[in-house]
Amino acid sequence: GAVVSQHPSRVICKSGTSVKIECRSLDFQATTMFWYRQFPKKSLMLMATSNEGSKATYEQGVEKDKFLINHASLTLSTLTVTSAHPEDSSFYICSARDLELANTGELFFGEGSRLTVL
Amino acid sequence: QKEVEQNSGPLSVPEGAIASLNCTYSDRGSQSFFWYRQYSGKSPELIMFIYSNGDKEDGRFTAQLNKASQYVSLLIRDSQPSDSATYLCAVNGRTGNQFYFGTGTSLTVIP
Repeated sequence: GAVVSQHPSRVICKSGTSVKIECRSLDFQATTMFWYRQFPKKSLMLMATSNEGSKATYEQGVEKDKFLINHASLTLSTLTVTSAHPEDSSFYICSARDLELANTGELFFGEGSRLTVL
Repeated sequence: QKEVEQNSGPLSVPEGAIASLNCTYSDRGSQSFFWYRQYSGKSPELIMFIYSNGDKEDGRFTAQLNKASQYVSLLIRDSQPSDSATYLCAVNGRTGNQFYFGTGTSLTVIP
């Protein structure tokens, strides 16, 4: 199956700093990637849909200036948490769709990034 | 109103029994439906997807879709302890470009 690599898997940062998380589709092209956030024992909350070469579409309640998303190529999307605060601590997961499997709609997930803001 | 709803559980079944997981969705225009399994601290992994009304079987897993009732379910036959995980229902929205997940149902299979 298609592989999505997410990096870093764990990051600890100080309050007020920015953290960048990368999501790469390793063996397929993904015009669309999705960023989710998950709190302990809770489901995945869609934050934004990232489209290659255009601005991301953010879900209601998600701050665009707080969570910067860039999708510069067909294989890479990045999420930058700016001026991080302890309440931003969470598990962030990216996912992508393989263009060639578009008819199935299946999402392939990265390994997730656990962010801890001190 | 939540897009996708699931009973959070926990659901416990004995080994060898049938586990039944249910999911409802609010957007009648939703096109495709997915069941993912997630182990603690890991990313979700796809179990099955279904588009058409009726049943779809894959090994021990059967997905059932009823668009009129906006209901999708997953049956796990001959449940194994390794099936113990959280099961997430996901719906591909009307536009086809948004995926929404339910809250997940925690399943424990007791040896």
